[in-house]
Amino acid sequence: GQQVMQIPQYQHVQEGEDFTTYCNSSTTLSNIQWYKQRPGGHPVFLIQLVKSGEVKKQKRLTFQFGEAKKNSSLHITATQTTDVGTYFCAPPESNFGNEKLTFGTGTRLTIIP
Amino acid sequence: KAGVTQTPRYLIKTRGQQVTLSCSPISGHRSVSWYQQTPGQGLQFLFEYFSETQRNKGNFPGRFSGRQFSNSRSEMNVSTLELGDSALYLCASSWGGTGTAVDTQYFGPGTRLTVL
Repeated sequence: GQQVMQIPQYQHVQEGEDFTTYCNSSTTLSNIQWYKQRPGGHPVFLIQLVKSGEVKKQKRLTFQFGEAKKNSSLHITATQTTDVGTYFCAPPESNFGNEKLTFGTGTRLTIIP
Repeated sequence: KAGVTQTPRYLIKTRGQQVTLSCSPISGHRSVSWYQQTPGQGLQFLFEYFSETQRNKGNFPGRFSGRQFSNSRSEMNVSTLELGDSALYLCASSWGGTGTAVDTQYFGPGTRLTVL
């Protein structure tokens, strides 16, 4: 079956530094979604990537989908305390013709003020 | 539009008991999925309901079951609770109209279940 690895598991950065999390799959993905979960909160949808090599930006967040559609990354420029949380990649996995989301292990980002 | 609501928010049970959790999706959403979140296993998919039918299920034992009503509200039941069932149970709704593909998931606040 599909295996999704997300690295790093934890990242501590000084406020203002950049942050990147990577999501790697053993199989080609049809698309991938990214979610953010604040401490004590629930996952919130950030973005979906569909096309090979796709790059999307949301203010300081840049999302990329690899050319081979087997990996994806989320880069945050100049982190702020509001960026604290766990970031999950979530590609779909086909299960007898129906798709379900499989969440990566997540990268927990903490900011040192 | 009101978001996804889940009740109760917190629950404490003892081993062997059973529990029912409830989820009300965003108005107009017909798909409801349930996830279990634990520190050790992360976010694990339990099952998905669409138009009152289970459309997909994860790898959980039969003690975990669910159902969906005609108004799209969903319930999840766990029977014969075990200590390892302690977790945050998240419900997510989506439009569900793209056939078998996964739409954007809108999560509720979750139910924190503690099994003693």
